[in-house]
Amino acid sequence: AQSVAQPEDQVNVAEGNPLTVKCTYSVSGNPYLFWYVQYPNRGLQFLLKYITGDNLVKGSYGFEAEFNKSQTSFHLKKPSALVSDSALYFCAVRDGNTGFQKLVFGTGTRLLVSP
Amino acid sequence: DTAVSQTPKYLVTQMGNDKSIKCEQNLGHDTMYWYKQDSKKFLKIMFSYNNKELIINETVPNRFSPKSPDKAHLNLHINSLELGDSAVYFCASRGGTVNTEAFFGQGTRLTVV
Repeated sequence: AQSVAQPEDQVNVAEGNPLTVKCTYSVSGNPYLFWYVQYPNRGLQFLLKYITGDNLVKGSYGFEAEFNKSQTSFHLKKPSALVSDSALYFCAVRDGNTGFQKLVFGTGTRLLVSP
Repeated sequence: DTAVSQTPKYLVTQMGNDKSIKCEQNLGHDTMYWYKQDSKKFLKIMFSYNNKELIINETVPNRFSPKSPDKAHLNLHINSLELGDSAVYFCASRGGTVNTEAFFGQGTRLTVV
């Protein structure tokens, strides 16, 4: 069964500094990886995904993520954080070979960007 | 236009009652989901339907019954509500190919008192 780990409950970063939100995954087949963001009292918004190809994936709002197969990681990054990036971030994985309909989420990481 | 819409947005009800949450998507997607987000913000998949057929049924009490009258709708009916059912319930939909992302509704905050 697929699983996702987000080891940090919260990440604090100052505005203008780079940010990284960590994610590691476990699947038996090919991983399809996703990042979502949730603002207070809102649904989840899709940021970016890795399916195949280039390990560096670019997404919405200046976010990017790097797929690392050997480390089974898919960390979310942004070169310069904004206060408005403060939100709850979820990493998710789908197994491309088996159970491809099932999207499993990590426990979420709260990003707090201070002015 | 709202892509995935849920009603109601808020639901407060007493223990023992039966309630339904409705979900509609106008994206033409084949697959729809229900997720539960608890007070710690953990997201857990409950059900998934593909073209009106149940394909994922996680370990969910049988008080929860999904119904898909057509592929644009996936409703969630809950019988005999319990305090522990209080959570935010999210509906989502996804297109047919394996590499597509899911689109989420705004959520229904259910409070059982």
